[in-house]
Amino acid sequence: RKEVEQDPGPFNVPEGATVAFNCTYSNSASQSFFWYRQDCRKEPKLLMSVYSSGNEDGRFTAQLNRASQYISLLIRDSKLSDSATYLCVVNGWGGSYIPTFGRGTSLIVHP
Amino acid sequence: NAGVTQTPKFRVLKTGQSMTLLCAQDMNHEYMYWYRQDPGMGLRLIHYSVGEGTTAKGEVPDGYNVSRLKKQNFLLGLESAAPSQTSVYFCASSYRGIETQYFGPGTRLLVL
Repeated sequence: RKEVEQDPGPFNVPEGATVAFNCTYSNSASQSFFWYRQDCRKEPKLLMSVYSSGNEDGRFTAQLNRASQYISLLIRDSKLSDSATYLCVVNGWGGSYIPTFGRGTSLIVHP
Repeated sequence: NAGVTQTPKFRVLKTGQSMTLLCAQDMNHEYMYWYRQDPGMGLRLIHYSVGEGTTAKGEVPDGYNVSRLKKQNFLLGLESAAPSQTSVYFCASSYRGIETQYFGPGTRLLVL
């Protein structure tokens, strides 16, 4: 079983829609959590960190559920420019901090 | 402040040739990483370093070597390239490992 799992999608949604992604992780000792965005053939870039209390940045909301070991990303009022792959990253201690990436969820926003 | 840079951006090699990929960061980060990304496989960690002079193996280290002689640089070497090493290689750095990673723009490598 992969340590970090995501539904690869693609999620195909119209502009203005609300879409949610989940990501599950297996290591209960994981300490930090992130969502990254990756555009085609480009490097991943941080979208937002994820905290237990939840955090919001404009149209984006991230939540962490430690009891069920998953993190979520909610995108409201989707824009065409939101089309990308969203990577879930979980960081845990194994002698040093090693991040584990999910394989990504593809989002396509259409007019 | 350039962030994380990678050299070269694109390279074509013949099987058996060697090359070195250079990653440089100007953010005084302790941790540096090399990943490869293949279609459908996501990002896979090749090697990483937790500080100057240290290196460690990641998930897929075979066929690669690394060095971190200076804090700001992390080199990835392919001693004898194979077609299976055709991939996009990303370098990343992080201040102490637990925080955000910053990625370089990637190196696209084609091994014929």
